[in-house]
Amino acid sequence: EAQVTQNPRYLITVTGKKLTVTCSQNMNHEYMSWYRQDPGLGLRQIYYSMNVEVTDKGDVPEGYKVSRKEKRNFPLILESPSPNQTSLYFCASSVGRGSGPPPDTQYFGPGTRLTVL
Amino acid sequence: AQSVAQPEDQVNVAEGNPLTVKCTYSVSGNPYLFWYVQYPNRGLQFLLKYITGDNLVKGSYGFEAEFNKSQTSFHLKKPSALVSDSALYFCAAGGNTGFQKLVFGTGTRLLVSP
Repeated sequence: EAQVTQNPRYLITVTGKKLTVTCSQNMNHEYMSWYRQDPGLGLRQIYYSMNVEVTDKGDVPEGYKVSRKEKRNFPLILESPSPNQTSLYFCASSVGRGSGPPPDTQYFGPGTRLTVL
Repeated sequence: AQSVAQPEDQVNVAEGNPLTVKCTYSVSGNPYLFWYVQYPNRGLQFLLKYITGDNLVKGSYGFEAEFNKSQTSFHLKKPSALVSDSALYFCAAGGNTGFQKLVFGTGTRLLVSP
């Protein structure tokens, strides 16, 4: 089954304790992206990756890091989480279009609900 | 800068009635437009998209959307709403000049009453 998986689905942590949220897709997609969803703000892009070893900042990258060492995986790293990073996080993937138009239909993971105390 | 506006936080409609969820956009060049739906405790699911071609786009679950270039709108419609259509709907847009990211609207909650 074609899917995007995220782990963990739920996480409660404390300020400053490094954490990683994993994302994996089995569709051989070039493009992958991380979003955060907050009430009243919709989805905002954190980072995206056009392909292996190619990543770039989205609209709200502060406090986050990513890596793309393999095509299927795109982990999101919070080196020193803070309470304002409490949010619902989604990973998504799609077929790439190179460096041109925006990504095509995106497939979303089930989400990771993060609480930073 | 690119932007997407969904002017209604919530739309209420009775089952069997037609529904419309509004979306307007601002992008550079020709738009790429998408509608996604989010059910409780689930990720977003693709409903339909407009890249080029007919202004009326048909998608999943009986939904359709009409692209109106002059009004820069891409409203989501369905002729007869079902209670199971109750969900959060997101419009997204990007332009085709240079590399442009996809921008999402803030979402519209659709409530269909029996």
